[in-house]
Amino acid sequence: KNEVEQSPQNLTAQEGEFITINCSYSVGISALHWLQQHPGGGIVSLFMLSSGKKKHGRLIATINIQEKHSSLHITASHPRDSAVYICAVPGRGAQKLVFGQGTRLTINP
Amino acid sequence: GAGVSQSPSNKVTEKGKDVELRCDPISGHTALYWYRQSLGQGLEFLIYFQGNSAPDKSGLPSDRFSAERTGGSVSTLTIQRTQQEDSAVYLCASSLVEGFEQYFGPGTRLTVT
Repeated sequence: KNEVEQSPQNLTAQEGEFITINCSYSVGISALHWLQQHPGGGIVSLFMLSSGKKKHGRLIATINIQEKHSSLHITASHPRDSAVYICAVPGRGAQKLVFGQGTRLTINP
Repeated sequence: GAGVSQSPSNKVTEKGKDVELRCDPISGHTALYWYRQSLGQGLEFLIYFQGNSAPDKSGLPSDRFSAERTGGSVSTLTIQRTQQEDSAVYLCASSLVEGFEQYFGPGTRLTVT
């Protein structure tokens, strides 16, 4: 079974700061997902990546398959980025996602 | 275009009652997933449907839980004889095919009193 660890669990920063959230997993995977969950509970898929780096606006996701590690970066953070960020990887069976516990990010103005 | 929709958005039920939660996936998406997020806990996989294949039910926590997907589209998650520990947000997601990005619905918040 794939185990997923995220760090930090909570992160508070000031507007404009560069943010990094980390995700480590135990078993080799085909792809890793980064999700964003806003206070209202809705979940949005941010990235699905299997190698290298992906960028969308101020968000950048990287993955190192050999080290079984991924990072989510937010540049020029803004209060609207405040949310829980969740990393997920395939479990036993490629489509059964196993989720990290999430990182609660708070960006203060 | 329309995203994944779920109904009801909130459901309060008495312990022992049965509940049905509905998910309408994005049109054309062949894969559909149900997840649960209990208070203070992370997301957990419940069940997965892909096309006409037999569903992967390995995440269902007990035999009180069942799900079906009619016509390869709408799915219903049924919880029989609800217990307080069933209180959670139940999330549905769909993807074009398995292995592709999953799109999540807004969830149904179930409260068992």
